[in-house]
Amino acid sequence: EVQMVESGGGLVQPGRSLRLSCATSGFTFDDYAMHWVRQGPGKGLEWVSGISWNSGRIAYADSVMGRFTISRDNAKNSFYLQMNNLGPEDTAMYYCASGRGSNFYDAFGIWGQGTMVTVSS
Amino acid sequence: EIVLTQSPGTLSLSPGERATLSCRASQSVKWNYLAWHQQKPGQAPRLLIYEASKRATGVPDRFSGSGSGTDFTLTISRLEPEDFAVYYCQQYGSSPPFTFGPGTKVDIK
Repeated sequence: EVQMVESGGGLVQPGRSLRLSCATSGFTFDDYAMHWVRQGPGKGLEWVSGISWNSGRIAYADSVMGRFTISRDNAKNSFYLQMNNLGPEDTAMYYCASGRGSNFYDAFGIWGQGTMVTVSS
Repeated sequence: EIVLTQSPGTLSLSPGERATLSCRASQSVKWNYLAWHQQKPGQAPRLLIYEASKRATGVPDRFSGSGSGTDFTLTISRLEPEDFAVYYCQQYGSSPPFTFGPGTKVDIK
């Protein structure tokens, strides 16, 4: 069974850091590009960051550039989002998603169930 | 950055009716790399359509996508009770960000 499971969310104070993880199973992880997408409470979807199959292509939304870092470990079938200097605007459900293939430019075929990040003092 | 606009914001229909959802891009979407995702309350999004008109695995054929360039449409031929949800279009053909539209909510009339 294909699965993507996020972890690492929680309540954090403004200015602090958090590291999200996405563990995958049921498919050949290193064949696929991976992405993080977030959704603020009652809001729409916002693409946050993406990483190609070999980490050769990485991109970020302007809203997180310089604060967030995406990475992956193909040996562990997992990828990560290091989030620094968090602000209230970063409060959201964070979803990990897989591209449909190795092409960085591909639709997001598989989604995890999400992990909630709340930034508040 | 490509901005996506979806209309209408809310569509109120009855089961069995046809739903037509629109997505308009601020500039042409390269290779028609336009996807539609469905999201139900409390659930993760689910890919329905990619490359504007190709159904994802397991998606019923009552869902169809069409369009090219800057104008795209998702059509649900006959609404089933499980189709009442929010639908987002997303472009992934141009350099990031891979933007989403604001969504169209399809609710029961």
